[in-house]
Amino acid sequence: QKEVEQNSGPLSVPEGAIASLNCTYSDRGSQSFFWYRQYSGKSPELIMFIYSNGDKEDGRFTAQLNKASQYVSLLIRDSQPSDSATYLCAVNTGFQKLVFGTGTRLLVSP
Amino acid sequence: EAQVTQNPRYLITVTGKKLTVTCSQNMNHEYMSWYRQDPGLGLRQIYYSMNVEVTDKGDVPEGYKVSRKEKRNFPLILESPSPNQTSLYFCASRAGTQNQQYFGPGTRLTVT
Repeated sequence: QKEVEQNSGPLSVPEGAIASLNCTYSDRGSQSFFWYRQYSGKSPELIMFIYSNGDKEDGRFTAQLNKASQYVSLLIRDSQPSDSATYLCAVNTGFQKLVFGTGTRLLVSP
Repeated sequence: EAQVTQNPRYLITVTGKKLTVTCSQNMNHEYMSWYRQDPGLGLRQIYYSMNVEVTDKGDVPEGYKVSRKEKRNFPLILESPSPNQTSLYFCASRAGTQNQQYFGPGTRLTVT
């Protein structure tokens, strides 16, 4: 079992819709969770992090964490074509060790 | 401008020819890390460093070396590159107390 799993996609949504990206992790001791966005040919950039169970909102983005289910998700409201990218889930499984999922490709069509 | 720089950005080399990929950050960050990114495998940590002269292995350290003699620099050394090290490499840094990890622009390495 992979430590951090994501559906590779692509996830296709129309402009203005809500995109829902999901991630599961295997290490129950994981403490912090991150979502990175990576445009094709570019480096990853951090868009959200979450530590506690529940929701965390930042603009159009909402991160959701359920530690009991070992599940973290990212919701993007009012999706824009510029949101088309690969979204990487990352989990801090211990001191300084950040494990990435393989990413979900999101396509937002105009 | 706060940034992480890597050089070279692109490199084609032959098996066995030693090479170094440099990484430098201007943010006085304690923590630096090297990753490789391969299709279907995602980003995997090669080595990381928590400060000067403090380094440790990540998930895929075989075939790589690193050093941290200065806080700003964290070079990645391939003593004898092999074709399975063909990949996209990223250097990253962050301050010890922060979540924001800054990635360099990436180095695309091809070993023939």
